[in-house]
Amino acid sequence: GAVVSQHPSRVICKSGTSVKIECRSLDFQATTMFWYRQFPKQSLMLMATSNEGSKATYEQGVEKDKFLINHASLTLSTLTVTSAHPEDSSFYICSARGRQGMYEQYFGPGTRLTVT
Amino acid sequence: SQKIEQNSEALNIQEGKTATLTCNYTNYSPAYLQWYRQDPGRGPVFLLLIRENEKEKRKERLKVTFDTTLKQSLFHITASQPADSATYLCAPTLGGPGGGNKLTFGTGTQLKVEL
Repeated sequence: GAVVSQHPSRVICKSGTSVKIECRSLDFQATTMFWYRQFPKQSLMLMATSNEGSKATYEQGVEKDKFLINHASLTLSTLTVTSAHPEDSSFYICSARGRQGMYEQYFGPGTRLTVT
Repeated sequence: SQKIEQNSEALNIQEGKTATLTCNYTNYSPAYLQWYRQDPGRGPVFLLLIRENEKEKRKERLKVTFDTTLKQSLFHITASQPADSATYLCAPTLGGPGGGNKLTFGTGTQLKVEL
């Protein structure tokens, strides 16, 4: 149980284009989903938290107009990197939490984004 | 500001031995402490959660301790195997309604179990 998928696993795009990453909870309803990014040899940094049907809460320093998050249903959240630049190249990972009172998070396998 | 420290150097141990990883935190009081495993190029996998009123928690070959006085958690893997080789992340977690919302991870300790 508690499986989270992400798609795509890898994406290469040209500078200036937009990329959408999907995160799905496969066998549970996720009241809250999270988006992280991770640079090589560094730990995960939380970018934003989203609850189904409401606007995402972004961490300080994360541009909400650049990283658009939509949590349209209890099993799907999407992250769109708009007008991507090479510095946006990173490993993006989503996670999901089933219900309030659950503190553990279940992570997707991650998406490697390379912007050329 | 909140700070989480894990052994920055990789830990190499021999198969069959017990691996002990350390997580120290400062400037806050988490109600829970979580441990995750991350393999290269993959998302973290949840392993164990221990509450502030629990001294020790076990799951198969894993054991976690939580000392709120020392502000430290120890993570043990007994009878270690090469398949245990990975990076292990700790995440001291605040309690309350929004407490689990923001997980702040340590930098992780890379464990390598050798034959």
